[in-house]
Amino acid sequence: KNQVEQSPQSLIILEGKNCTLQCNYTVSPFSNLRWYKQDTGRGPVSLTIMTFSENTKSNGRYTATLDADTKQSSLHITASQLSDSASYICVVSFNTGFQKLVFGTGTRLLVSP
Amino acid sequence: EAQVTQNPRYLITVTGKKLTVTCSQNMNHEYMSWYRQDPGLGLRQIYYSMNVEVTDKGDVPEGYKVSRKEKRNFPLILESPSPNQTSLYFCASSLSSSRGRTDTQYFGPGTRLTVL
Repeated sequence: KNQVEQSPQSLIILEGKNCTLQCNYTVSPFSNLRWYKQDTGRGPVSLTIMTFSENTKSNGRYTATLDADTKQSSLHITASQLSDSASYICVVSFNTGFQKLVFGTGTRLLVSP
Repeated sequence: EAQVTQNPRYLITVTGKKLTVTCSQNMNHEYMSWYRQDPGLGLRQIYYSMNVEVTDKGDVPEGYKVSRKEKRNFPLILESPSPNQTSLYFCASSLSSSRGRTDTQYFGPGTRLTVL
């Protein structure tokens, strides 16, 4: 069964600290992996997209890594800001003639002053 | 400004009263999709459309209908809403859904629906 699991479910960190969110997947055949940021009550916004051949991609203070062999990804947030408080969703795409997306349930991050 | 719009943003209705949630995108995207988001569950796909007049069921299509008569619009129709359809709904679009593409998917702001 195609699944995406994220950990932790929720996380509280102090402003200025770093954190890492985890994503494990069992999706096949793999096409790409995406990280989204979703502010409360708003639609998800794309942070990064990585294909099989990419093992790291950055977007400002966000750095995503991908290990296609172990089917794991992480999202590292550097020097966190209050505005980073949001849910972070890992999404894995697989090919069935066209792309289909499998969504994780997200990690809820709270950055505290 | 490139965007996906949804209307209404909030809706409270009663069981059995037909409703339509509109979705429109101004980016000339081929692919559009509807999702619902419930607490503790990831986004689940309801219906998707790969182009005009081409629609197909997602993972949770029961109780919903869609149409794609124009490229920019993809309305979601609930013919006879029930309380289990109370949820947060998102419309999304991307340039293409072709195999191997990595097009960014853009989401609308969401529609919070309550069915009493």
